[in-house]
Amino acid sequence: DAKTTQPNSMESNEEEPVHLPCNHSTISGTDYIHWYRQLPSQGPEYVIHGLTSNVNNRMASLAIAEDRKSSTLILHRATLRDAAVYYCIPDIQGAQKLVFGQGTRLTINP
Amino acid sequence: GAVVSQHPSRVICKSGTSVKIECRSLDFQATTMFWYRQFPKKSLMLMATSNEGSKATYEQGVEKDKFLINHASLTLSTLTVTSAHPEDSSFYICSARWSETYEQYFGPGTRLTVT
Repeated sequence: DAKTTQPNSMESNEEEPVHLPCNHSTISGTDYIHWYRQLPSQGPEYVIHGLTSNVNNRMASLAIAEDRKSSTLILHRATLRDAAVYYCIPDIQGAQKLVFGQGTRLTINP
Repeated sequence: GAVVSQHPSRVICKSGTSVKIECRSLDFQATTMFWYRQFPKKSLMLMATSNEGSKATYEQGVEKDKFLINHASLTLSTLTVTSAHPEDSSFYICSARWSETYEQYFGPGTRLTVT
C-alpha cells in the first residue's frame, strides 16, 4: 500500500494562500492522488484529485511533482470555513477504497 | 455534488442492544459503499467495503459478526452494530462511490453512544 506523510498541523491567516504538502514516495504510476477535508463533526468532503498533471477546480489547485512522489494542495485565498483536517490519499487501482492517514489540521486565523 | 445521507445522525443505546445505521445515496446509484469508524481526535478507519448484492469485505481486525453490513440496493447500505458495548461508541461514517467517477461521497456521520 502507498503510504503518505503530511504535517500534523498548519496555520495560516485569512485571505492568504495555503500550501498543504503531502509525500507519497511509494505511490505507483497508476494511483490517483485524492484530497479530502473534514470539518468538525462532519463527514469528509471531496476537494480534488489528479494523476500526473496539475489540476484546478473551484475549491483548490493540486500541484503534483514530476516524479509523483509528492503533491501540494493549494488554497488560493483561505477563509475561516477552510479550517479542517485535510487528507491526502492515494487511490490504489483495483482496491477501490480510500484509506485515510492522519491528515493535516489546518487552522485559519482571522 | 452528489448527496449521501445517514440515519440516524445520533443514537444512544444501552449495552447489549443492537443498532442499525442507514446510508443512502440520494441522487446516484452506488455500486460500492464503504463504512468507516472514527474515534475522537483520530482519523477515519475503514471497516468494510460493501458491494450491492454481495457480501461485504471486512478490513483486518473488524468482526463481521458484530458489524453486520447489508447492501440490498444500489442506493442503500445498512450497518448493524450487534450487542453493542461502550467501546463501540464512535462516529460511524459511510461513503458511496459513483460507478462512473473516482469520487467518493461521504455521509454526514452517525454518532453512536452506548451506555
